[in-house]
Amino acid sequence: DTEVTQTPKHLVMGMTNKKSLKCEQHMGHRAMYWYKQKAKKPPELMFVYSYEKLSINESVPSRFSPECPNSSLLNLHLHALQPEDSALYLCASSPTGGNYGYTFGSGTRLTVV
Amino acid sequence: QKEVEQDPGPLSVPEGAIVSLNCTYSNSAFQYFMWYRQYSRKGPELLMYTYSSGNKEDGRFTAQVDKSSKYISLFIRDSQPSDSATYLCASSMEYGNKLVFGAGTILRVKS
Repeated sequence: DTEVTQTPKHLVMGMTNKKSLKCEQHMGHRAMYWYKQKAKKPPELMFVYSYEKLSINESVPSRFSPECPNSSLLNLHLHALQPEDSALYLCASSPTGGNYGYTFGSGTRLTVV
Repeated sequence: QKEVEQDPGPLSVPEGAIVSLNCTYSNSAFQYFMWYRQYSRKGPELLMYTYSSGNKEDGRFTAQVDKSSKYISLFIRDSQPSDSATYLCASSMEYGNKLVFGAGTILRVKS
């Protein structure tokens, strides 16, 4: 299995909703990442988990809450989002550090209404 | 100044042309260099990675890094309409796991 699987593929949520994005990989990778990508822009790093511990938080607002239950799973909990948070949310993984490149999932396209 | 600079294009070429995509970077500590391809509404796909300076070839793709000029290149030979996508360059330091992406170049190969 050489894939990163993200669910759901599409999500529409209101500003008062609570939802979660899920990411799964079975490649034995020990680093996992959340990126946010706006249209026609490069991915922007949000969070990095290394060996199931949060190692980087790029000053992301607290309405985004990451969780790494085990080495294969990564969640992003969403609460009280704003319309400007609408974007493609990408999960990625790598063996340890990202120096040999990440494997990205296909993303969750989030729309906040 | 962004750490990795990349012309967003679009770059439009005829089928069969040789395509040259380029990035420059400013951080001398960068040691790993990658190219990703991203189709519309999909996640980025790793095409090539290189360590330090030098060339790397994989089929129709060649990646070059010149650390003396801080220049990163990707060449695509015999370009195909299926190569039409956004190409992102990315760099990282020797240690750590943070990739810095360029803006991405939109490539259109016309049949």
